[in-house]
Amino acid sequence: QQPVQSPQAVILREGEDAVINCSSSKALYSVHWYRQKHGEAPVFLMILLKGGEQKGHEKISASFNEKKQQSSLYLTASQLSYSGTYFCGTEQGGNNRLAFGKGNQVVVIP
Amino acid sequence: SQTIHQWPATLVQPVGSPLSLECTVEGTSNPNLYWYRQAAGRGLQLLFYSVGIGQISSEVPQNLSASRPQDRQFILSSKKLLLSDSGFYLCAWSVWTNGHRIFGSGTQLSVL
Repeated sequence: QQPVQSPQAVILREGEDAVINCSSSKALYSVHWYRQKHGEAPVFLMILLKGGEQKGHEKISASFNEKKQQSSLYLTASQLSYSGTYFCGTEQGGNNRLAFGKGNQVVVIP
Repeated sequence: SQTIHQWPATLVQPVGSPLSLECTVEGTSNPNLYWYRQAAGRGLQLLFYSVGIGQISSEVPQNLSASRPQDRQFILSSKKLLLSDSGFYLCAWSVWTNGHRIFGSGTQLSVL
């Protein structure tokens, strides 16, 4: 089942922080986060497994709330290079089916 | 190191024509292979995945098919393209079934 990502789009100035969310109505085994630049392939950022762990990639970190079936991606002190569309992929029970959301478009301006 | 190759980068095809997109992975053995489609402004839709030679699982009924003739080769085909087949096609691989996906550079397909 496709996860729901919010907000659809975020515009922020360089150095500002932002939070984007990924929610599912079903119990999750793992959450993947990817970033895609226009016309390019998605690039893997991080994966979070059941257990509510938090991970980081550069100044981008993520959390996984099992009870809420939600993952949040935190963009801290954003850089111009953070611009792109962020996709979350959710997996239920290790079934090898990663369902992707429609993405959060992030635009960082100088 | 592992690399994934996908070609062609862009393709313009008339409605009703056949399609063949190829993807190969280097530097690893027995990868899990995937075909995704991304329509404009949409998410990534899983079309097919394969855990081994000749083993193909289809996610969405459609006029597309996939084959895995060799361990590191994955092919997406169609006998007759539809307008709705237009989109950005991405091949990907992973080490484990629940591992992260590593994507190829994609093929932008326009069916006219």
